[in-house]
Order: sequence, then C-alpha cells, then structure tokens
Amino acid sequence: DTGVSQDPRHKITKRGQNVTFRCDPISEHNRLYWYRQTLGQGPEFLTYFQNEAQLEKSRLLSDRFSAERPKGSFSTLEIQRTEQGDSAMYLCASSSDGTYYGYTFGSGTRLTVV
Amino acid sequence: AQSVSQHNHHVILSEAASLELGCNYSYGGTVNLFWYVQYPGQHLQLLLKYFSGDPLVKGIKGFEAEFIKSKFSFNLRKPSVQWSDTAEYFCAVKGTNAGKSTFGDGTTLTVKP
Repeated sequence: DTGVSQDPRHKITKRGQNVTFRCDPISEHNRLYWYRQTLGQGPEFLTYFQNEAQLEKSRLLSDRFSAERPKGSFSTLEIQRTEQGDSAMYLCASSSDGTYYGYTFGSGTRLTVV
Repeated sequence: AQSVSQHNHHVILSEAASLELGCNYSYGGTVNLFWYVQYPGQHLQLLLKYFSGDPLVKGIKGFEAEFIKSKFSFNLRKPSVQWSDTAEYFCAVKGTNAGKSTFGDGTTLTVKP
C-alpha cells in the first residue's frame, strides 16, 4: 500500500477558472476527508465521505466547492470560478470506520490562484 | 462548536531539553484526541491518540500525552528532544460519535543541536 495519493501536487490557475483535484485513499479505508490549510493555520475541515456517501460538508464551504466519491474509492474536489482566497493547500486523508482510528494524510495539492 | 487551542506558536529548545506543548479543546461531549506531526517536507502523520481508558498515552519516538478531562487538556510531552524532532505539531479533537476532527493551528518546534 502506497498510502494516500493526491494529484496534482501543485496547481496554478487564473482567477475564474475551474480546478479539480483527485485523492486516492488507502484501499481498505471507508472514510475520506478533505481539508484546507493556509499558512500559519491548522487544517480546516471541508467535507467527508463514508464509502460513497457524503456525510458532512462544512458550512464555511461555498457552493463553488463540490466533492464526489463515486463507488467509494477515489474522490475529486472541484472548485468552480476560483478566487484568490482559494489559494491554499488542499489535504486529503482517509481512515477506517470507528472512533479509534486517526487519519492517514496525503501530501496535499497546493493551489495558487493568480 | 468544537475548537482546539494550542498556546505556543513557536517553541525553540536545545537538544536534550524537555518538551511540553499545550493543547486545550472545547467540545460538549466525549472526545477522542490526537497529536499529529509534520516534519519538514513531509505530510502530516499521526503521533499518538487517546480514545478511552488510561489518560496517559504513549506514541512513537518517545512522545506521550496526558488527557486531563477536568482541564479539557491534552498536552504533549517528551523528556529529551532531539534535533530530528524539529517539526510542526498539531493537536486535534473529535467527538466520539462524530466523523470529522478539528485541528489547532499548530506549534512549530525547533530543536537546536
């Protein structure tokens, strides 16, 4: 198992463009999470899935953000009409079911909106 | 709403010094608590976790943390730090029936050789 994979590692886009990120979790993990992190801050929760069901989405997340996890395997996070404030590191993590387990994080996708 | 406060933003220590990083949380229920570490150039990884039982938990690389329920705290400790402990440390809380974890803003630890 190679851990949690995220693609791309870096993305530079112009304001107003749409971007999509991909996350491949550890195959045995039912849960998949998306977080966003900016400099000097801790990871901020965006949304999470249990299998293919999106169980929670942050109230802070605008309608420009959408995430999917078809078939309960990989996940995509799309940001429409990007704004400069969207510039951040987007982190994906996965875990097994149950409260006992912590997260396994990927290396993240760094988004820069110019 | 749940929240996590890490009081120290940046800690600088010499090798062999003892470490204690503070973490206080706010949550209206039973919790699971975590410390994650991010070494330079690497991704976040789990250092240790508390979910029930003995409030003193031991993690990797000689780290330990103590859950004090009355103080809503989960401080991270290490008796003697090494240069290789230089990293950013994040405390996180999760309700036992919740899906998501809430993270603090992190403490950057610099260990001088």
